[in-house]
Amino acid sequence: GAVVSQHPSWVICKSGTSVKIECRSLDFQATTMFWYRQFPKQSLMLMATSNEGSKATYEQGVEKDKFLINHASLTLSTLTVTSAHPEDSSFYICSPTSGDGRFADTQYFGPGTRLTVL
Amino acid sequence: GESVGLHLPTLSVQEGDNSIINCAYSNSASDYFIWYKQESGKGPQFIIDIRSNMDKRQGQRVTVLLNKTVKHLSLQIAATQPGDSAVYFCAESVGGNQFYFGTGTSLTVIP
Repeated sequence: GAVVSQHPSWVICKSGTSVKIECRSLDFQATTMFWYRQFPKQSLMLMATSNEGSKATYEQGVEKDKFLINHASLTLSTLTVTSAHPEDSSFYICSPTSGDGRFADTQYFGPGTRLTVL
Repeated sequence: GESVGLHLPTLSVQEGDNSIINCAYSNSASDYFIWYKQESGKGPQFIIDIRSNMDKRQGQRVTVLLNKTVKHLSLQIAATQPGDSAVYFCAESVGGNQFYFGTGTSLTVIP
């Protein structure tokens, strides 16, 4: 299966700071990246979809100015949580796809990043 | 702090028994479905998928059944093992684009 990494795995920050989460697809080129958020004991909620070199498309209710997504290369996408508040504390998971048929029909997920905002 | 939401449905089974996990999906246009397993603190892991032109697909120890009439999916795990304890999610998609996840079920296997 595909190898996907996220960094950091856990971050604790003060309220009001910005946090950047990196997602790397290590063995394939991710033309599309999905970002999910998961609260404790809840399901994954799709936040946004980004295609390499294009602006991300955000799901309804997700603030694009708060959750900045950059997908500048085929192997790296970043999610920046700006001015984080305690209610942003969650588990953030990326999911890249290559769209070339090899992995297009099977989503692979990063290991997730736990964000704790104090 | 973190938000507190609904608790996941739970299912407890004896080791060696078969498990059946159910999922209702919402979009009648969805044509591709995946079951995922998620262990605590980790990202989801792919288990098995099925397209809407099928109503059953079998993998190793797992079977997925699709009933499009009632928009229902089930995952059957044969001879459930302690390592199967996890949260299981179904995800629906139209054309393999965005995937939307169901509520999830927490499976506990009793040794």
